[in-house]
Amino acid sequence: GEDVEQSLFLSVREGDSSVINCTYTDSSSTYLYWYKQEPGAGLQLLTYIFSNMDMKQDQRLTVLLNKKDKHLSLRIADTQTGDSAIYFCAKGGYQKVTFGTGTKLQVIP
Amino acid sequence: DAGVTQSPTHLIKTRGQQVTLRCSPKSGHDTVSWYQQALGQGPQFIFQYYEEEERQRGNFPDRFSGHQFPNYSSELNVNALLLGDSALYLCASSLALSNYGYTFGSGTRLTVV
Repeated sequence: GEDVEQSLFLSVREGDSSVINCTYTDSSSTYLYWYKQEPGAGLQLLTYIFSNMDMKQDQRLTVLLNKKDKHLSLRIADTQTGDSAIYFCAKGGYQKVTFGTGTKLQVIP
Repeated sequence: DAGVTQSPTHLIKTRGQQVTLRCSPKSGHDTVSWYQQALGQGPQFIFQYYEEEERQRGNFPDRFSGHQFPNYSSELNVNALLLGDSALYLCASSLALSNYGYTFGSGTRLTVV
């Protein structure tokens, strides 16, 4: 079945760039997503990329997709304390989306 | 414009009981998906409803059932509750055939004792 994996924890200093990584097993054409979850809240969609794209940039966020290695990354430029949260990589489409286990981002002031 | 609304926010039930969780989708959305998120885990897909029918289902037992109403709102029912059903239950709404991601509610925290 579909598997989406992420590292559990990342710590960065305020103002630095953060890079959160994700790998997946199913290489079928589909959409890949990044969601953010703050404590006690639901998930917020940050950005998405279709599997025929290599890169997408949206303000401070850059998504890179390496289809050969089945590797997705999210780069957050100029990381702020408000970026502290859990970030989920997800894969799928309109019928079903599979989520990773989440990466907790800690931003040190 | 209200986003996705879920009720109740918290719930405590006893093992063996039944529970119903409710969700109102974002205005303009017609599809509702339900996810279970255990502590420290990613959300797990339970099922998706569109046009009042279950369109897709994840690996959850028949104790988990749902319903979608003509106004697109939805209910998740869980029978014969187990301790392991304790989790955050998330409702997500979207447009049918849209791949541009979900809008999530804040969830219902279910504790089974």
